[in-house]
Order: sequence, then structure tokens, then C-alpha cells
Amino acid sequence: DAGVTQSPTHLIKTRGQQVTLRCSPKSGHDTVSWYQQALGQGPQFIFQYYEEEERQRGNFPDRFSGHQFPNYSSELNVNALLLGDSALYLCASSLESWGALLFFGPGTRLTVL
Amino acid sequence: AQSVAQPEDQVNVAEGNPLTVKCTYSVSGNPYLFWYVQYPNRGLQFLLKYITGDNLVKGSYGFEAEFNKSQTSFHLKKPSALVSDSALYFCAVRITGGGNKLTFGTGTQLKVEL
Repeated sequence: DAGVTQSPTHLIKTRGQQVTLRCSPKSGHDTVSWYQQALGQGPQFIFQYYEEEERQRGNFPDRFSGHQFPNYSSELNVNALLLGDSALYLCASSLESWGALLFFGPGTRLTVL
Repeated sequence: AQSVAQPEDQVNVAEGNPLTVKCTYSVSGNPYLFWYVQYPNRGLQFLLKYITGDNLVKGSYGFEAEFNKSQTSFHLKKPSALVSDSALYFCAVRITGGGNKLTFGTGTQLKVEL
């Protein structure tokens, strides 16, 4: 079992650009959540996808959008990048059932210059 | 709104000594509480969780945590620390009706020294 995988590992972009991050969930998991972890902070919830729809969203602007594919993999898109978007972006997968444990991927380190 | 607080940015302990990493929570419903650990350049790894039942929860790598409803705390403990336990520890909470969204604390850096 490969666990949760994310790509790329690192990414450098400039302000105003757009970025797409990718996540493959743990085998058998149908729900994907995305978190942003700024340096020295705890992860902040961005949104969650289930059955290819955004089910829950945190306090992030519309510049942050996502998608879930039929195979449960997911993408996080960020438009009009700001310096403050520099962070570690974590993907977590789980089963849809309430109380399900989240399994986190290694993250994508995004640097915005 | 739900929140967790980790009052200590860093905890230092000698190898072989007991360790405690503190966490308090604030929720309006019944909390599900979690501890995760993060090693450098890695994602978060699950240690243990409290949902209901026994207030003392045992988890991975010899860690345990005690749920205290009256003090709204969920402190992480280990009887004998190892140098390899040095990492960043996060407490998190999820509430009934909150979906699978986790709210994390700011983290506590644990340093275990020889």
C-alpha cells in the first residue's frame, strides 16, 4: 500500500502565477482533504472533496479551488499567487464515514517569489 | 468555533525521563481529539485519538494521552522519552457535525536530549 502520495515535492512560482498540486489517496479511501501549513503554524483546512464534489470549505479565498476525479485522486489549484501562499500543502485521505481517520501525504512545498 | 491550544512552543526533556506535551480544547459539542507527529520534511503521522470511552488512550510508539473533560485537556505523555521522539507534535480536534475537518493547534517542538 503506497499510502497518500503528492506531487510535486517542491515547487517555485512567482507572484501572479497559477499552480496545480496533485494527490493520490490511500488505497480504498474515497475522501480527500487539503490543508495549508505555513511555516511555524499548524495545518489549516482548505477544503474536502467527496464524490467529486466540494463538501466542506475552510476560510480560504476563491483563488483556491480543487477537483476530485472518479478514481478519487484530487488536484488543488491556486490562482493569482501571493507571497503569503508560500507554505507546505498537505493532502489527507479518509473514508467518508464519520469519525474516519485522516492519513496525510508528505506534502508539496510551494515557494512564491 | 472550535479550537485547540498548545501552550508550549517547545518542550525539552532528557532521554529516559517522562514527557508531557500539553493540549487544551474549546468546542461546543463532543470532541474527537487527535495527536499527530511531524518529522522534518514529512507529512503528519497519526499517534492516537480519543472518541469516547476510557479517558486514557494508548497509541503508537509508547505514547498515551489522557482526556480530561473538566479541564478540557488532552495532554500527550510518554513514560520514557527517546531521542528519536524529537519532532513536532500537533493536537487536533473534530466535532460532531463538523464533517471530517480537523482543527489543529500551532504545534509543540519536542527535543529529547542525551
